[in-house]
Amino acid sequence: VQLQQSGPGLVKPSQTLSLTCDISGDSVSSNNAAWNWIRQSPSRGLEWLGRTYYRSQWYSDSAVSVKSRVTINPGTSKNQFSLHLTSVTPEDTAVYYCARRLWDLDAFDIWGQGTMVTVSS
Amino acid sequence: SSELTQEPAVSVALGQTVRITCQGDTLRSSYASWYQQKPGQAPVLVIYGRNSRPSGIPDRFSGSDSGNTASLTITGAQAEDEADYFCNSRDSTGNLPEVFGTGTKVTVL
Repeated sequence: VQLQQSGPGLVKPSQTLSLTCDISGDSVSSNNAAWNWIRQSPSRGLEWLGRTYYRSQWYSDSAVSVKSRVTINPGTSKNQFSLHLTSVTPEDTAVYYCARRLWDLDAFDIWGQGTMVTVSS
Repeated sequence: SSELTQEPAVSVALGQTVRITCQGDTLRSSYASWYQQKPGQAPVLVIYGRNSRPSGIPDRFSGSDSGNTASLTITGAQAEDEADYFCNSRDSTGNLPEVFGTGTKVTVL
């Protein structure tokens, strides 16, 4: 199983940060996994942002700290999932990771390569 | 909000044993998982559940838990074990379904 991230490394303040995570070797609609976005910065450490998962229907939830700004969706025609974070500020500058969490392991067993996103004009 | 607290840094002589701890209320009801992160790389899962290792992780890595504290032990540390280590657990009581530890820098002397 591999996760391949894509998206811009520079976003202007007040704009929307958008990243995509392509999945190979598993399915975004698997009943055994949740698909997560996590970010890491020197000031905040590792911070879970949110997830999407399928259990007879699609679910998404997110961290309270970003709930009003974040959308995490499964791909409609591709085996992928995405992160959209609106109204970004320099405090959103971080390395962003996608990661799979298997329900039976209760752990993040596969991570994407990471994307350094800088919020700057 | 829930927190998982780790020692900022520990050092270990080559071939010796080192234990890292992770402390937090969420650990009373959920197992910790442990991740190794080397500079410029994504985290790698090394321990999950009670004390399970993914395929490819050496058996010198082990985990344990007691009350609100989880521990990661490296028995016979190798130079390649020098890295940052993070714990993680589920949190059904706080604002975040998932919470990460503050991280421990392990230096192998």
